[in-house]
Amino acid sequence: EAQVTQNPRYLITVTGKKLTVTCSQNMNHEYMSWYRQDPGLGLRQIYYSMNVEVTDKGDVPEGYKVSRKEKRNFPLILESPSPNQTSLYFCASSPGTVGKLFFGSGTQLSVL
Amino acid sequence: QKEVEQNSGPLSVPEGAIASLNCTYSDRGSQSFFWYRQYSGKSPELIMFIYSNGDKEDGRFTAQLNKASQYVSLLIRDSQPSDSATYLCAVNLIGAGSYQLTFGKGTKLSVIP
Repeated sequence: EAQVTQNPRYLITVTGKKLTVTCSQNMNHEYMSWYRQDPGLGLRQIYYSMNVEVTDKGDVPEGYKVSRKEKRNFPLILESPSPNQTSLYFCASSPGTVGKLFFGSGTQLSVL
Repeated sequence: QKEVEQNSGPLSVPEGAIASLNCTYSDRGSQSFFWYRQYSGKSPELIMFIYSNGDKEDGRFTAQLNKASQYVSLLIRDSQPSDSATYLCAVNLIGAGSYQLTFGKGTKLSVIP
């Protein structure tokens, strides 16, 4: 089944404890992206990657890191999480056109 | 300021009616426009895309684009309770870089049986 898989689905952590949210797609898509979704603010792009080893900042990159060492994987790293990073995170991929995104199921992160 | 604007709603329509969802965007040179549907507690899913001025129909859905007015809309004909969801407009804004997709905050639609 074609899909974007995110893990974990839920995560509760404490301020400053490094964490990684994994994202993997099995559709051989070139483009991958991370979004966060907050009530009243909508979906905001954190980082995106056009291809392996090519990444760029979205609208809200502060406090996040990404890497794209393989085509299928695009992990999101929070090296020192803070409470304002409590949010619902979505990973997405696209075969080529930026807007035709396939989304993962989401990761609900709570930073205490 | 690169922006995609939508009315937050909620928009309530009776079953069988036409639901009209609207979106405006800031960059006149934008070329690609998308509508996503997001059910409560679920991830967004792409339902329509449009690149050229005019209408594009797919089943009960019609996307309308007017680049001169910087306006894109989604019409849902014969609305069903299963259409109740939040609808997100997304635009590949020219000013944001060719690989960025900017979403509006979404319009919540309720279809009343």
